[in-house]
This record gives sequence, structure tokens and C-alpha cells, in this order.
Amino acid sequence: RKEVEQDPGPFNVPEGATVAFNCTYSNSASQSFFWYRQDCRKEPKLLMSVYSSGNEDGRFTAQLNRASQYISLLIRDSKLSDSATYLCVVNRGNTPLVFGKGTRLSVIA
Amino acid sequence: SQTIHQWPATLVQPVGSPLSLECTVEGTSNPNLYWYRQAAGRGLQLLFYSVGIGQISSEVPQNLSASRPQDRQFILSSKKLLLSDSGFYLCAWTPHGTGILENGPYNEQFFGPGTRLTVL
Repeated sequence: RKEVEQDPGPFNVPEGATVAFNCTYSNSASQSFFWYRQDCRKEPKLLMSVYSSGNEDGRFTAQLNRASQYISLLIRDSKLSDSATYLCVVNRGNTPLVFGKGTRLSVIA
Repeated sequence: SQTIHQWPATLVQPVGSPLSLECTVEGTSNPNLYWYRQAAGRGLQLLFYSVGIGQISSEVPQNLSASRPQDRQFILSSKKLLLSDSGFYLCAWTPHGTGILENGPYNEQFFGPGTRLTVL
């Protein structure tokens, strides 16, 4: 089983839709969790960290379920500019970050 | 503010040729530095990381090597490229003491613009 698994998509949604991405991780010792965004042919950039209590940043909400080893990202009121690949990232502590392969989102007008 | 540079932006090389990719960071001292490769249809793969001048840790055995001759300079090299070396090479940095050895909310990695390498 891969350490970090994501549905590759693509998710094709209309503008204004709500879309959710899921990510599972295999190592229960994982301690820090992040969502990165990567535009086509560009470098990844941090979108948001994921905290145990869940956190929200504008239209984006991240949730963590340690018992199920599951992370989610919810995007409300999708914009065309949200089209990108979303990478789930996990840190086990004392080791480099582990990146998932990403989920591709296309928001359609 | 900190910036990270990579060059070249794109590169086409024949099989068996050497490779040298350069990464430099400005505006910070003693950063942790990383080399990643992203192949088509695959996730980011960490190749090397460095916590200081001359200190290199290899994550994946391969025909690539890395060097850190100066505090803010990280170089990825190969003596003979393989077809499988094609991919998007990304350099990244984290502040000293974070990203590898420390756990917590300070593990954000800052990526350079990348080098797209095609080996023919």
C-alpha cells in the first residue's frame, strides 16, 4: 500500500459547485498534514496545513480523521482559477515530507 | 524576502550525456535544501536533501548525485543520463532546523520553478 493515496481524478465540475477530495495515509505515526496546489507545468505551492480540529480558509476547508487515517479538502463555490492538481502531503516527523500523486480538478464555465 | 532560482528551465539531452542542474536560494542562511523529481503520471519523488554545506542524504539509489558547494547552492548531476531520468526536477528549501528534523507547522517546502528535462 502506498504511503499516501489520492484519487487521481480528473474531477470536472461546473463553476459554483462544491467539490471534495480525499486522501488516505498508511503510516499511523504521521504527524503533520498539508494540501499543496500545483498548476500545470508549475511548482507546487502550499495551500493549507491540516490541523486536528479541522480548519477553514475562505472557500477551502480541510479535515483530518486520525482514526481512519484520512484527510479531506472541500472547495466551495468553485472558481475557474481553482483548476489545478491538489497534492496531499504527510510528514512522519524526522523524515522528509511524503507527497501523494495528486488529484486533478477542472472547473468548467 | 526569500527567493529560489533554478536553471535551466528546460533541457533536452541525449542518452549518455552528462547533466548539471543548479539551484540557488537568496534571502536566508543555512537552509535545508531538497531535490525532487516528478515523472509523468507519478508523484513527487525526493531524490536528495541537505542540511548543510557538503552534507548530502540520498533517498533513492540511482545514477544521479547531488552536491552543496556553498550554503545556498545545490547542484544535481549525472555522468550519463538514462531515458528514465526524464522528468520535472524541482529544488525546494525549508528554514534551517525545519522540514526534516523538526515536526510541527513549519514544514512548508518552498519550491523553485523547476527544470523540465527530456532525455532522448
